[in-house]
Amino acid sequence: QVQLEESGPGLVRPSQTLALTCTVSGDSITSDDYYWSWIRQHPGRDLEWIGYIYYSGGTFYNPSLRSRATISLDTSKNQFSLKLTSVTAADTAMYYCVGGGNNYGLIVYWGQGTLVTVSS
Amino acid sequence: DIVMTQTPLSSPVTLGQPASISCRSSQSLVHTDGNTYLSWLHQRPGQPPRLLIYTISNRFSGVPDRFSGSGAGTDFTLKISRVEAEDVGVYYCMQATQSVTFGQGTKVEIK
Repeated sequence: QVQLEESGPGLVRPSQTLALTCTVSGDSITSDDYYWSWIRQHPGRDLEWIGYIYYSGGTFYNPSLRSRATISLDTSKNQFSLKLTSVTAADTAMYYCVGGGNNYGLIVYWGQGTLVTVSS
Repeated sequence: DIVMTQTPLSSPVTLGQPASISCRSSQSLVHTDGNTYLSWLHQRPGQPPRLLIYTISNRFSGVPDRFSGSGAGTDFTLKISRVEAEDVGVYYCMQATQSVTFGQGTKVEIK
């Protein structure tokens, strides 16, 4: 069973960069056909997909966040990361890292989530 | 973007009775590879969502068989044959055919 755990600061100042890391256990981050995503959930309940990185390193982003988001792999640590630049209060949300294969529709295994608040 | 619209947004149900949630996409979810990447997720309060159903009708590992998914093209349905107390929470449909987008969520609560 794949397990994921998010880590990073819970408070980010406006205009700064949000940086989160997801540590994967139970499988290699370079396993065939795995997609590693970041998804956020704003207070209330809306879910918003930020983007994914393929096991081989290719990336694909939500068009609305493409200009500010970067997802990368660290194969030596079995981790993947998110950076979101120029944050505002609208970026306050629970951030989840998620993994899954194409056969299962990409979104299968979820971390517990980490709450990020953007505030001065 | 493909817009996912769920109905109803809230569903009070009686224990032991069936429940049904509909999801409509703004365009066909049939991928060029022939698959339809429509999933259903369930989120309990304070927990991350978990996968119930993938590619319209396939139950994920460990999901009880009282959950079933159906549909095609742009119209999809999740059914719970007999609601149990642990089924309360918010249900989301999700598509991964073109980018990834989610429905607004349907809150299921016991009457």
